[in-house]
Amino acid sequence: AQSVTQPDIHITVSEGASLELRCNYSYGATPYLFWYVQSPGQGLQLLLKYFSGDTLVQGIKGFEAEFKRSQSSFNLRKPSVHWSDAAEYFCAVGASRGNQFYFGTGTSLTVIP
Amino acid sequence: DVKVTQSSRYLVKRTGEKVFLECVQDMDHENMFWYRQDPGLGLRLIYFSYDVKMKEKGDIPEGYSVSREKKERFSLILESASTNQTSMYLCASSTLGNPTGSYGYTFGSGTRLTVV
Repeated sequence: AQSVTQPDIHITVSEGASLELRCNYSYGATPYLFWYVQSPGQGLQLLLKYFSGDTLVQGIKGFEAEFKRSQSSFNLRKPSVHWSDAAEYFCAVGASRGNQFYFGTGTSLTVIP
Repeated sequence: DVKVTQSSRYLVKRTGEKVFLECVQDMDHENMFWYRQDPGLGLRLIYFSYDVKMKEKGDIPEGYSVSREKKERFSLILESASTNQTSMYLCASSTLGNPTGSYGYTFGSGTRLTVV
């Protein structure tokens, strides 16, 4: 069965520091992988996605993610965090049946000045 | 700007009421989804639809039903609201788009439902 694990429930970083949010997935075939961000009281916004090809994908707001098949991981990174990046981040994997996605439980990011 | 619109941002309903949550998308997407979001549990799929008048159960369909009479509209119905259905409800849509698969979901802003 498909599943997504985000092992970090909450992360705190200083503004300007680098960031890495972890995501591990379980999937039988080549996955479609996504990262979404949710600001307080808002819906989810797509940050980036991976379907195939180059394993390092660039997204919006300066984020990037690297697909590592051997580790079943799709970690999200940003070299320098801004206070506006404080939000909830969700990793998702696409299922083989239609477009059903499976989401991780999310990582809450706090940015301190 | 394309979007998914959920009719209410906040709703307060009484236990036992029948509740309708409406979702409309203007992107001509084939697929529409309803999720509920709870702290520590992430997003859980309630129902989804691949086409008009089609629906499929997700992971937690109990206590819910859906209606999709038109391609752009997907309604979630709480037949008899209970306090454990207090949650954030998120609607999303997607399209197959190209042969390699999905472009991902477009989400609405969510409806925070409180059942008292």
